[in-house]
Amino acid sequence: KAGVTQTPRYLIKTRGQQVTLSCSPISGHRSVSWYQQTPGQGLQFLFEYFSETQRNKGNFPGRFSGRQFSNSRSEMNVSTLELGDSALYLCASSSTGTGGFTEAFFGQGTRLTVV
Amino acid sequence: DQQVKQNSPSLSVQEGRISILNCDYTNSMFDYFLWYKKYPAEGPTFLISISSIKDKNEDGRFTVFLNKSAKHLSLHIVPSQPGDSAVYFCAASAMRGFQKLVFGTGTRLLVSP
Repeated sequence: KAGVTQTPRYLIKTRGQQVTLSCSPISGHRSVSWYQQTPGQGLQFLFEYFSETQRNKGNFPGRFSGRQFSNSRSEMNVSTLELGDSALYLCASSSTGTGGFTEAFFGQGTRLTVV
Repeated sequence: DQQVKQNSPSLSVQEGRISILNCDYTNSMFDYFLWYKKYPAEGPTFLISISSIKDKNEDGRFTVFLNKSAKHLSLHIVPSQPGDSAVYFCAASAMRGFQKLVFGTGTRLLVSP
């Protein structure tokens, strides 16, 4: 069974640009969540999508957005990039949705560098 | 407000000995806890989890203990191996049926031969 796939692995963007990151979850998983990891703030929850709907949102500005497609693949977009957006962006998938707790399985992440 | 805390940034143990990683939380609504292992520039790898209705869960060399009254959990690795050297994160969830994890700041474990 293939794991969570994130593309691209590395990105370098200029301040003010926008960026789109992609995540393909484990087959059969309908929940996709996104996290940002920085040295100063650690791992922080961005948002979660389930069946194409955003169910949860973390404490990030509106420049961070996402969407989920009917095949559960998800994209995350960051507009008007700032230097502080440089981070490892992680996507996780799970079979959550039935009311119980399930584990989240992470992809390898996309390393975004804003210059 | 750091709801999940790992107060030890690093831990060094010898191969074959026990590694004990600790985690404290403040939110009494958390009722599911997970441990992840992470290497630099990679995503976290799930290790083991525990629901608040239990006080212990075991999987091979890994055992997680939960003390709800103290709002404390720990991960025991026995015996420790050099390949266990990584950063370990504890995470907590308060939303049954949803996926929103709150992570601790991590503990770097170094297992020396």
